[in-house]
Amino acid sequence: AQKITQTQPGMFVQEKEAVTLDCTYDTSDQSYGLFWYKQPSSGEMIFLIYQGSYDEQNATEGRYSLNFQKARKSANLVISASQLGDSAMYFCAMREANTDKLIFGTGTRLQVFP
Amino acid sequence: DVKVTQSSRYLVKRTGEKVFLECVQDMDHENMFWYRQDPGLGLRLIYFSYDVKMKEKGDIPEGYSVSREKKERFSLILESASTNQTSMYLCASSTRSGGGNTIYFGEGSWLTVV
Repeated sequence: AQKITQTQPGMFVQEKEAVTLDCTYDTSDQSYGLFWYKQPSSGEMIFLIYQGSYDEQNATEGRYSLNFQKARKSANLVISASQLGDSAMYFCAMREANTDKLIFGTGTRLQVFP
Repeated sequence: DVKVTQSSRYLVKRTGEKVFLECVQDMDHENMFWYRQDPGLGLRLIYFSYDVKMKEKGDIPEGYSVSREKKERFSLILESASTNQTSMYLCASSTRSGGGNTIYFGEGSWLTVV
């Protein structure tokens, strides 16, 4: 069954340091997409980064990069040079190509301290 | 500017009432989703629809039904609201099997059942 697991309920990081948020997934489909979203306290969902299952290179978007290890079924988000404004909930999500069903993990609350 | 609009941001309803949560998108998207978000549980899929009059159960459909009579509108119905349905409800829409930033979210509807 399709599933996303985020094992870190909360993470702390000091400003300007890098942090890795973990995400593992389970699917029997060969074609799928992986997403990361940021949700600040305002509640809006902000798209950060996307990785397709056939993409050979890890996705990067500015300070965000996705460490995609297909054999391990992991899609960890790396945030470099953390900023205070990065404090938020972060959700990993997956969409299977054959169903378009989109599911999310339980989220990781990141707190950046000075 | 593309948009997913949820008709009500904050609602307070009584136990046993019938509740309608409306979601409208203006992007001609095929897929629409309803999630509920609870602390520690992340976003859980209630129902999704991949076309007009088509619907699929998500992970937690019990106590909910949906309606999609027009492509742009996806309604979530609580036939008889209960206190355990107090939550934040999030609507989303997407293109079919798109990658990247192709999923759009509403602002959320905070429902309190008393």
